[in-house]
Order: sequence, then C-alpha cells, then structure tokens
Amino acid sequence: GEDVEQSLFLSVREGDSSVINCTYTDSSSTYLYWYKQEPGAGLQLLTYIFSNMDMKQDQRLTVLLNKKDKHLSLRIADTQTGDSAIYFCAEGPSGGYQKVTFGIGTKLQVIP
Amino acid sequence: KAGVTQTPRYLIKTRGQQVTLSCSPISGHRSVSWYQQTPGQGLQFLFEYFSETQRNKGNFPGRFSGRQFSNSRSEMNVSTLELGDSALYLCASSLVRQGNTEAFFGQGTRLTVV
Repeated sequence: GEDVEQSLFLSVREGDSSVINCTYTDSSSTYLYWYKQEPGAGLQLLTYIFSNMDMKQDQRLTVLLNKKDKHLSLRIADTQTGDSAIYFCAEGPSGGYQKVTFGIGTKLQVIP
Repeated sequence: KAGVTQTPRYLIKTRGQQVTLSCSPISGHRSVSWYQQTPGQGLQFLFEYFSETQRNKGNFPGRFSGRQFSNSRSEMNVSTLELGDSALYLCASSLVRQGNTEAFFGQGTRLTVV
C-alpha cells in the first residue's frame, strides 16, 4: 500500500535554507506534491513534480526527486518567518483517481 | 473565482449523535475528495466523488459516508459519533483534466465530539 514518511519538526534561522525530506513507497505514483498548511487554514499546494523528473525549481523552492530511493525533498532558499507552517509531502493520484496519500507533516519553525 | 467552501467551520457534537458536513467545490470542478486530519494520524483519505459517484474509498468504518449532488456539491455524514472522530475534516476539489492534477482545499470543518 501507499505510505509517506517525513520528519515531524525542523527549525531554521531566518535567511538560511530549509530542507524538508520525505520518503514514499508507491512507485506507481504519477505526481509528488508539497503542500503548506498555516494555522487555522486549509492546505495550499506549493509545488508538485512528475515522477519522471529529477528536479523542479520555482522561485525560492527546489524539489529534488530520487525515484530509485523513493526520496523527495523540498528546499526553501532564504527562509522567511512567513514560511513557518506545516509542510506535507504527498503522492498520487493512485489508480487513476484523485486519491492523494499524505505524510504526517513537518512543522517548520523559522527563528528571526 | 471563489475557492472551496466548507460549512460549518466549527461543530461540537456529543457521542452517539450524527453530523453532516458540506463542501462546495470550485465552479467547474467535478471531483471532490474528503480527508480527515488528526494530530496523531495526519491526513487520511476518506473518499472521492466524481459526477455523483464514489470512485475511491479509504479505510474508514461504514459510519462515514458521503454523497455528491448534480451541482458537484458534496456532503459527508458521520453517524454514531465517537470521541475519536474529533478532527479537522478537509474537502478538496479538482478539475480532473489531463495534465491538471491540482487539488484545491477548503479551510476545513473542525469537529469536536464530547
């Protein structure tokens, strides 16, 4: 079955880079996602990568995918206090449907 | 355009009661998925509806059910509520078009069972 694992907590200083890591199990996943959840809010899609890509860059965000090791990472350059949130790694769709399997979320704390 | 709207935002129920949550997807989106978010389990997939049909279902007991109407609005129902059903319930809508897989989430309904 599908399973997504990520660490629970990361603390970085403002201006430094943050790297959030994730491993997944379903090799048939078409897309891998990073979502951001701020307190009291729903989930916001930050970026996603097709499973046949190795890297995707979008402004301060860089996603790296190692398909062989089923490892996904999100790098946030020049981390700001506004980046403090919970970041969810997710894989899907599975079986052609819109089912997305999420990790438990990594809480990013940015220290001013 | 308007985002995904979930109502109500907050709800308090007692054990044994039932509850109905509502989700209005983005206009034109035909796929609606429901997720349960708890601190211990993270986000768990409940079910997905597309064109009024349930296409996929997660590992939840039969007390959790849902439906979708012809205007794509969806409801989920939980009967015989248990304390462990306290959670944030999130709804996501998708366009479901080739090459477009983004799911847009609502702000959720926070259900507390006492």
